[in-house]
Amino acid sequence: SQTIHQWPATLVQPVGSPLSLECTVEGTSNPNLYWYRQAAGRGLQLLFYSVGIGQISSEVPQNLSASRPQDRQFILSSKKLLLSDSGFYLCAWSVGAATDTQYFGPGTRLTVL
Amino acid sequence: GESVGLHLPTLSVQEGDNSIINCAYSNSASDYFIWYKQESGKGPQFIIDIRSNMDKRQGQRVTVLLNKTVKHLSLQIAATQPGDSAVYFCAENNNNDMRFGAGTRLTVKP
Repeated sequence: SQTIHQWPATLVQPVGSPLSLECTVEGTSNPNLYWYRQAAGRGLQLLFYSVGIGQISSEVPQNLSASRPQDRQFILSSKKLLLSDSGFYLCAWSVGAATDTQYFGPGTRLTVL
Repeated sequence: GESVGLHLPTLSVQEGDNSIINCAYSNSASDYFIWYKQESGKGPQFIIDIRSNMDKRQGQRVTVLLNKTVKHLSLQIAATQPGDSAVYFCAENNNNDMRFGAGTRLTVKP
């Protein structure tokens, strides 16, 4: 069966510090991978998605970036965090067409102070 | 502490009763819909999905109804249990564009 992991589970970082969140998927090959941010009382905001190694599409302009160094690894990064980057970050995967169901990881709670 | 869904619509039901959670979607061209359950501090879990060529689909204790005429989706949970307490949100997909609703917080009273 497929599983998706995210770490760390929680993170507290000072403003201006770098960020690296990692997501890995097991039990499937060539998944579509997604990074979302979830704000209180609002729907999921798609940040990045990837259909293959090295292929990243960005949905919103921001100081975050994403990379996919391996088939089942997706990394969310920032060189300098802002207060507004605080939130709950979710990684998700799907296979086949993008119309297929997305399955989410456990999330990372990021607090920028 | 919980911050997901802090200002969401809420539904409170008695344990054992049936719950109905509603979702109005925006795009009449959407052809695939999903319901997710999200417990406090956790990632969303897939519950059930439905394609636009259907108007009803049943799972274990859950039923999803789709009314394309009024762009409305509902999730019915039978015999609601305390473990069903969570935020439930729908998602619609149109042409590889998945959109998520903010959700409804379901609270089950013992």
